[in-house]
Amino acid sequence: ETGVTQTPRHLVMGMTNKKSLKCEQHLGHNAMYWYKQSAKKPLELMFVYSLEERVENNSVPSRFSPECPNSSHLFLHLHTLQPEDSALYLCASSQEGTGGPDTQYFGPGTRLTVL
Amino acid sequence: AQSVAQPEDQVNVAEGNPLTVKCTYSVSGNPYLFWYVQYPNRGLQFLLKYITGDNLVKGSYGFEAEFNKSQTSFHLKKPSALVSDSALYFCAVREFNQAGTALIFGKGTTLSVSS
Repeated sequence: ETGVTQTPRHLVMGMTNKKSLKCEQHLGHNAMYWYKQSAKKPLELMFVYSLEERVENNSVPSRFSPECPNSSHLFLHLHTLQPEDSALYLCASSQEGTGGPDTQYFGPGTRLTVL
Repeated sequence: AQSVAQPEDQVNVAEGNPLTVKCTYSVSGNPYLFWYVQYPNRGLQFLLKYITGDNLVKGSYGFEAEFNKSQTSFHLKKPSALVSDSALYFCAVREFNQAGTALIFGKGTTLSVSS
């Protein structure tokens, strides 16, 4: 898991707070992802960045705002969240190339609780 | 549209017995298949993948998976289960050469190995 790190590991916030989740990959990959894992749902893709450009956004509410300043860092900015946004947020990275998609490697996740 | 089905929410086996965790998929093109394992409060760890070639794929920790194109299945297997194999297992699919898209995950199967 040291290839992809996420901070903080745990976060408790009120509905009016603003916070950010950070992900850093040390694998030299060119694509990064945010997933949401809730207790009763499969992993849901939130955002994909390939070569630092957003490629896919699966209709995520605007209270979630991603930022990818370079190929090694990915942020998820949070504001005015709802209690149903409480979940484990997972970051992943992979190396995308002409040979096809490669394995995604995941960070340990941030456990978010919205009060 | 791509999809993955893991028909069993939970699989129970005794230590030392063989285990199988089932996965079926649906894609319009050639599939790119993965198995991941998740331990409590941790991120997903990559176990193995199928791209092309031999239908039997060997991965980490003694796990293997068999790709069956006619049955559109990719079941995870291990000849002799360990108590430490108890975890949540996810099957995932992606269409080959769909750059910039992420994995589609099944809902997960909890494996419980008893001593």
